[in-house]
Amino acid sequence: AQRVTQPEKLLSVFKGAPVELKCNYSYSGSPELFWYVQYSRQRLQLLLRHISRESIKGFTADLNKGETSFHLKKPFAQEEDSAMYYCALSKNRDDKIIFGKGTRLHILP
Amino acid sequence: NAGVTQTPKFRILKIGQSMTLQCTQDMNHNYMYWYRQDPGMGLKLIYYSVGAGITDKGEVPNGYNVSRSTTEDFPLRLELAAPSQTSVYFCASSQLGQGGYGYTFGSGTRLTVV
Repeated sequence: AQRVTQPEKLLSVFKGAPVELKCNYSYSGSPELFWYVQYSRQRLQLLLRHISRESIKGFTADLNKGETSFHLKKPFAQEEDSAMYYCALSKNRDDKIIFGKGTRLHILP
Repeated sequence: NAGVTQTPKFRILKIGQSMTLQCTQDMNHNYMYWYRQDPGMGLKLIYYSVGAGITDKGEVPNGYNVSRSTTEDFPLRLELAAPSQTSVYFCASSQLGQGGYGYTFGSGTRLTVV
């Protein structure tokens, strides 16, 4: 069965420092991968998808099939990046999404 | 442009009571989902539906029931509330399975069972 692992429950980073939120997955096929974000008192929202290869709010994520990872990165953290981040996986575009347990990102002033 | 609407936003139930969490979407999405979010546990899928009249169990369906009589609505029913069902419940919808576009989430219902 597929699984998504986010090893860090909490990550504290100083403003202006680089951010990397780790995500590893287990699935033998070619999954579709996502990062979702939940800001305080807001609903979960899609941050980015690996298939679009986009950069959203300065964040990027590269799929590494060899390491089965999909880490989320940003070169310079901003205070408004403080939120809960969930890595998620789907076997294919017709299947449901499995979420990791989430990492709380706290940006220190 | 409402998207996914959940009601109520908050509810306190006594053990053994029942209630229905409402979810409606106006995007004509075929796929709808119910997740529960517990601290440190991420989101667990309770039930999902791939279209009107079709529902299926997710990871944690025990203690819950769903129905999907229309494309727009996907209510979640708790028949005999238990403290273990204290959680934040999220409804979501998607155009295809997730269609490569991911889900649109509702704002959540915070349920406390005492």
